[in-house]
Amino acid sequence: DQQVKQNSPSLSVQEGRISILNCDYTNSMFDYFLWYKKYPAEGPTFLISISSIKDKNEDGRFTVFLNKSAKHLSLHIVPSQPGDSAVYFCAASGRGGTSYGKLTFGQGTILTVHP
Amino acid sequence: DTGVSQDPRHKITKRGQNVTFRCDPISEHNRLYWYRQTLGQGPEFLTYFQNEAQLEKSRLLSDRFSAERPKGSFSTLEIQRTEQGDSAMYLCASSLVRTGSGANVLTFGAGSRLTVL
Repeated sequence: DQQVKQNSPSLSVQEGRISILNCDYTNSMFDYFLWYKKYPAEGPTFLISISSIKDKNEDGRFTVFLNKSAKHLSLHIVPSQPGDSAVYFCAASGRGGTSYGKLTFGQGTILTVHP
Repeated sequence: DTGVSQDPRHKITKRGQNVTFRCDPISEHNRLYWYRQTLGQGPEFLTYFQNEAQLEKSRLLSDRFSAERPKGSFSTLEIQRTEQGDSAMYLCASSLVRTGSGANVLTFGAGSRLTVL
């Protein structure tokens, strides 16, 4: 039962253009959503998060949008840079108790930004 | 503090052998997590500790797996009688959980890759 899905295994974008990575979830109890970036031979590193009470969170070139009714979130990177090339994971967690901090990850999307 | 450290980074073993991985979390963090990642998939939750107490275990964690966190510091993950299906990247993460805080951001180590022949 894949509760968090990233349906695009890969995305290729030209430097300077916008990268849009998508994520869908099925569990309505999820309360926090996070994006992690992973380079080869390294562990995932935190990028940005959003609470379910918001529909947008921005941090520099990175913006996450949340559509609760559609159970969909997206990560926008603008402008994209070659150093952004990595695997991007969407993750979700519940609020409080043992579900807090226990992340459910999507399968990941490989982003390649061409110079 | 240099982040979350994991050792060894790579382990090749024969089926049936026991292996142990160690994780040293960020010192001020009170939670420690173990995840497993297989090729083409995202990390999957295995277990987590709040200080020295193991609070939850996934159904993925069979009886052959055991995790400890003595004294609430480093943690070990042992796999007994390894099987080829255990081949994966084992990721450790830690976080500082405060009451009423926002998203619990986990800091991951680089992982320990296990290959079972």
